[in-house]
Amino acid sequence: GQSLEQPSEVTAVEGAIVQINCTYQTSGFYGLSWYQQHDGGAPTFLSYNGLDGLEETGRFSSFLSRSDSYGYLLLQELQMKDSASYFCAVYEYNFNKFYFGSGTKLNVKP
Amino acid sequence: ETGVTQSPTHLIKTRGQQVTLRCSSQSGHNTVSWYQQALGQGPQFIFQYYREEENGRGNFPPRFSGLQFPNYSSELNVNALELDDSALYLCASSGATGTGANVLTFGAGSRLTVL
Repeated sequence: GQSLEQPSEVTAVEGAIVQINCTYQTSGFYGLSWYQQHDGGAPTFLSYNGLDGLEETGRFSSFLSRSDSYGYLLLQELQMKDSASYFCAVYEYNFNKFYFGSGTKLNVKP
Repeated sequence: ETGVTQSPTHLIKTRGQQVTLRCSSQSGHNTVSWYQQALGQGPQFIFQYYREEENGRGNFPPRFSGLQFPNYSSELNVNALELDDSALYLCASSGATGTGANVLTFGAGSRLTVL
């Protein structure tokens, strides 16, 4: 089966930069997506990499390297409201299945 | 544009009962997928519906079944409930192809507790 691995927890201070890595063992996918989920809330879409390289959306950037089976989400100028869980995900198009990582809980401290 | 709405938001059932969860998709989306999320875990893919047919399924037993209606709304049915079925059930809608197929819009979820 497919698997996506992420660190379970990361802690950083306000204003800092944090990188959340995602390594995967999968094939036949279009690209890598990232979702944010606050406690008690629903996941919300953050970023998608359909091609290798860097995608930037405001304070958030995401990167994909298919040759390394690796991607990351970069959060800059951290704010307290960024405290949440972050999931990487792929859509395996041969079987029309979505796979999510187990999530990284980001704790932002003052 | 309207987002994804799910109902009910919370429900409590006893072991062996059956449950139906409902979801309306975002305007312009024709594909719906369902997920089970246990506390502290990532969403686990249950199945996906496109044009009223299931076209993808995760590792869930047949007692998890679904429907999609002509207006793209969907239902998740779970029969013979077990204690381990207690979880947050998420519905998401998406486009059918290309980038749109990879971007999920989630509903707020239905929290199921099985006693």
